[in-house]
Amino acid sequence: GAVVSQHPSWVICKSGTSVKIECRSLDFQATTMFWYRQFPKQSLMLMATSNEGSKATYEQGVEKDKFLINHASLTLSTLTVTSAHPEDSSFYICSASTPGRDTEAFFGQGTRLTVV
Amino acid sequence: GQNIDQPTEMTATEGAIVQINCTYQTSGFNGLFWYQQHAGEAPTFLSYNVLDGLEEKGRFSSFLSRSKGYSYLLLKELQMKDSASYLCAVKDSNYQLIWGAGTKLIIKP
Repeated sequence: GAVVSQHPSWVICKSGTSVKIECRSLDFQATTMFWYRQFPKQSLMLMATSNEGSKATYEQGVEKDKFLINHASLTLSTLTVTSAHPEDSSFYICSASTPGRDTEAFFGQGTRLTVV
Repeated sequence: GQNIDQPTEMTATEGAIVQINCTYQTSGFNGLFWYQQHAGEAPTFLSYNVLDGLEEKGRFSSFLSRSKGYSYLLLKELQMKDSASYLCAVKDSNYQLIWGAGTKLIIKP
């Protein structure tokens, strides 16, 4: 199957700083990438959908100025958590897919963010 | 609006059978997916249905009825390692994935 690489796997940052998470599709071109957040013992929550070359579509309640998403190429999308606070500590996961009827979404390994 | 519903949590006994339901209302339909996710890990693909009927893959089976907007994931001979969240997702007319909130399955010995 296709491989999606997410980096870093975990990060600890100080409150008020910004953190960038990268999501790369290694062997296919991902026209659409999804970013999720998951708090302990809760299900995945879709934050935003990004299409290559256009602005991301954010889900209701997700601050687009706080969670900056860039999808400048067909193999790379980044999520930047700006001015992070302890309540932003969570597990962030990306997934990538290509247009088509039966193509599944391929997930990155996830990034555990801890803001202290 | 687009909506996918599945139970929040289910409990079953080791060795038994459990059925996790998923109902959907989307703008168009281009397939339904089931994923498994263990805590702290990324989801893994389980099954894909685009035509009505049952798809069997080992201990797991997935069923689809497009006319009813309904699917289920059937897990047989439950094992403790099956304790996880199970996510239902539908591709709409724009081939965008719409995700359910997931069902947390608890297996008891």
